[in-house]
Amino acid sequence: NAGVTQTPKFQVLKTGQSMTLQCAQDMNHNSMYWYRQDPGMGLRLIYYSASEGTTDKGEVPNGYNVSRLNKREFSLRLESAAPSQTSVYFCASRSQDPPYEQYFGPGTRLTVT
Amino acid sequence: DAKTTQPNSMESNEEEPVHLPCNHSTISGTDYIHWYRQLPSQGPEYVIHGLTSNVNNRMASLAIAEDRKSSTLILHRATLRDAAVYYCIFPSVAGGSEKLVFGKGTKLTVNP
Repeated sequence: NAGVTQTPKFQVLKTGQSMTLQCAQDMNHNSMYWYRQDPGMGLRLIYYSASEGTTDKGEVPNGYNVSRLNKREFSLRLESAAPSQTSVYFCASRSQDPPYEQYFGPGTRLTVT
Repeated sequence: DAKTTQPNSMESNEEEPVHLPCNHSTISGTDYIHWYRQLPSQGPEYVIHGLTSNVNNRMASLAIAEDRKSSTLILHRATLRDAAVYYCIFPSVAGGSEKLVFGKGTKLTVNP
């Protein structure tokens, strides 16, 4: 199993550009999540999806949109990137079995200039 | 969401035990205590969880106070690979899914 995969690993955008961060998991998990992590800080939840076809806002959703394309894939879109969105983005999925732990991808390091 | 308090940083020597504390005075009776860690340049990974009783697994032990207002993650013999940020977290259920709220965690430095 590859677990949770994310693409790209690194990205540099200019202010106003758009891009989509891709995430896929091969563990048949229902719930998937997008977090961002700013330097020296803990992770903050952007959006999550409890199941295929549903998405909900997390703590910091402004400036982002998400799509739960199917059970495997959960993408995060920045429509008009801003320097404040410079961060490391982590995707995660949650096990349906105890202890219901979340599995995280390796992250995408995004810089907006 | 239950609030947690952890020291910003701790230091240990290799092969010595490490006790990482977490205070959670606002915990409710049904909140599970989860610990995750984040190695440098990686995503977080699950370490251990518990409700009331002390717990052991291959990675660590979790000691939970009788009043559940604090807990301690114990690494029995720290290795260099254990250098990471450790997060004490209470999952909250909303919208049909469980969410994790991360604080700043404790940065553990392991000296050779």
